[in-house]
Amino acid sequence: EVQLVESGGGLVQPGGSLRLSCAASGFTFSNYWMTWVRQTPGKGLEWVADINRDGSNTYYVESAKGRFTISRDNAKNTLFLQMNSLRDEDTAVYHCARGVSYWGQGTLVTVSS
Amino acid sequence: DIVMTQAPLSLSVTPGQPASISCKSSQSLLSSDGKTFLYWYLQKPGQSPQLLIYEASNRFSGVPDRFSGSGSGTDFTLRISRVEAEDVGVYYCMHSIQFPRTFGQGTKVEIK
Repeated sequence: EVQLVESGGGLVQPGGSLRLSCAASGFTFSNYWMTWVRQTPGKGLEWVADINRDGSNTYYVESAKGRFTISRDNAKNTLFLQMNSLRDEDTAVYHCARGVSYWGQGTLVTVSS
Repeated sequence: DIVMTQAPLSLSVTPGQPASISCKSSQSLLSSDGKTFLYWYLQKPGQSPQLLIYEASNRFSGVPDRFSGSGSGTDFTLRISRVEAEDVGVYYCMHSIQFPRTFGQGTKVEIK
C-alpha cells in the first residue's frame, strides 16, 4: 500500500523558515517523480514543486522560485521542501504526492506574526 | 500559465441520477506523443484528493466504473453514471502537460 506521511509544518513568523518532510513507503521511491501541492480555502489547490527521480531536475511555481527548495533522499525514501522567506500567503496545507497519483494527508503551515 | 475552468462550481444530485462536470483548458493538453495530460480528482470531506481519471479517460486503480472521463484538446468532461452517497466532495481537474501544473477551481457535489 502506498503511504505518504508529511511532517514539519507549524506556526512560523513572516520571513522565517520551515523544512517539510514526506516519508514514503509501499513503492520503490526512486522510480517516481515527486510533487508538493498546497491547498488553501481561498485559492484551492496550487502545485508548488516537482523533482525528478534522481533529484537532478526541479521545477517550481513562480511564487516559490528562489525561496523554496525541493529535494529527496532516495536512500531514506524521503522527500523534502525547504521553505525560506515565508510570507503570509504561504499559509496552507502542504501535500506531497507521488507524481499525479497518490497524495499524503498534508501538513499545515501557518505564517503569521 | 494554462488556465483550467470548471463548471458548474456546485452540483446537487439525487442518488442514482447521473452527473457531469466540465473542465476547459486555455491551451490544448494533447502532447506530441498522443497523450492528453488531463486528470480528475475527488477530495472527500476531511481527506486528501484521490485520483479518479488519468490522461483524460483512464480510470485509476480501484475507481468504480460509474466514473468516466472524456474529451480532447481543451474540453473535458467527468461523468458519474449513477451518483452514490460516497461520491460527495469536491472534484478537481488538473493538467500536467507543462509546468506549472494548474488546477480547476473545484466543483462541490452534494446529495439531495
